[in-house]
Order: sequence, then structure tokens, then C-alpha cells
Amino acid sequence: DIQMTQSPSFVSASVGDRVTITCRASQGINNWLAWFQQKPGKAPKLLIYAASSLQSGVPSRFSGSGSGTDFTLTISSLQPEDFATYYCQQANSFPRTFGQGTKVEIK
Amino acid sequence: EVQLLESGGGLVQPGGSLRLSCAASGFTFSKHAMSWVRQAPGKGLEWVSVISANSGSTYYANSVKGRFAIFRDNSKNMLSLQMNSLRAEDTAVYYCAKQALAGPGWLDPWGQGTLVTVSS
Repeated sequence: DIQMTQSPSFVSASVGDRVTITCRASQGINNWLAWFQQKPGKAPKLLIYAASSLQSGVPSRFSGSGSGTDFTLTISSLQPEDFATYYCQQANSFPRTFGQGTKVEIK
Repeated sequence: EVQLLESGGGLVQPGGSLRLSCAASGFTFSKHAMSWVRQAPGKGLEWVSVISANSGSTYYANSVKGRFAIFRDNSKNMLSLQMNSLRAEDTAVYYCAKQALAGPGWLDPWGQGTLVTVSS
């Protein structure tokens, strides 16, 4: 199985900050990576697919990059509604696997 | 608007069985693969299973292989997950998710989830 490792596990940031979350795959997954946002008590929401494609309706302050084994999610200017937990997920092979999550909290 | 509504969760004893359902609307259900993903209380996301649009292919997480079965009824726009030999570690919120037609099938959107609690 492909292991997905996110870092950091926890981010304390202020409104307006630039936030970067990384995700590393245990083997190459081309660009078959998605990023999800989850708020407490809610279902996850797709933000980014194919490593860098912005899902329709997602604000442009979210961006993704990377290919192969190393990927990044960047929030260019953190907004109050962005405080949530973020997960990466590989879609290269079965079983699909998620990173352990990165919680973004208010500083 | 795409809607996914899970049902069937509840309290079950270890070793017991439960069937989850996901009622889909707002899209052509028969064209899309569908997945189940779960989340144990306070934990991260764990992919469980996927079924192709025509039920020809299914895949499972190693943790549920041989105990869970995914199936669908395209005439009723219904996705199901039959869970047998349940264990305490199967306690989680179970989400169904629609897979995009393009690419490897990105999960979007997800239902609101149904809670399964395995306890004596």
C-alpha cells in the first residue's frame, strides 16, 4: 500500500498568513493527488485534484503543486473560514490512502 | 444538485452485521463509480471500498476485506455496504462519495455520513 505522510500535523496561524502543508507519498503517484478540507462535524470537501487543479467554487487562495512523491497545498492568505483539517489522498492505486491530516488552528 | 444520503448506522455488538445505504440523486448514478470512506471518532479518514459504475469491479481496504461487501442498484440509485463480523475498530462515521468521471475518480461530493458504533 502507498503511505501518505503529511507535515506538519498541526499549524497555528493568523488571519492573513500564508500556510503551506506538505504531503509525501511512499512511492511515485504521478500527479494523482487530491486535497480535502474538513470542518468539525462536516463531510470532507474536495479542494484540489490532480495535484494542482482547483475544484470549481474553491477560492483561488488555495493552490496545489507537486508531482511524483512530494506535494504541497498552499493557502496564500488565511481567512477565518479556512480554519479546518486538511487531508491529502492518493488516487494512483488501490487501496486509496489518505494522509493523517493537518489541523489549521487560530493563533 | 447532487445529494447523497447515508442511512443504516447504529449500535451493533461485536461480531454482528449491519447494512449501510446511500441514496443518490441529482446526477446520473449509473455512470459513476462510488466509494465508502470512514472516520473513527477523533481520527483521520480511511478509504474503505469502491465499486465501478456497472458493478464490474470492486476494491476493498485490507482492514475490511472478506468482511465487508459493496454493491449497488442502479435502478434505485442506491449504494450499499454490507458489514459482517464487525469489530470495535470498525466504529466510525461512514461516508459515501461520488467519483468523478474523469481521471482516477476524484471523490466529490460526499454525503453527511452515518455513525456505526460497535460495542457490547
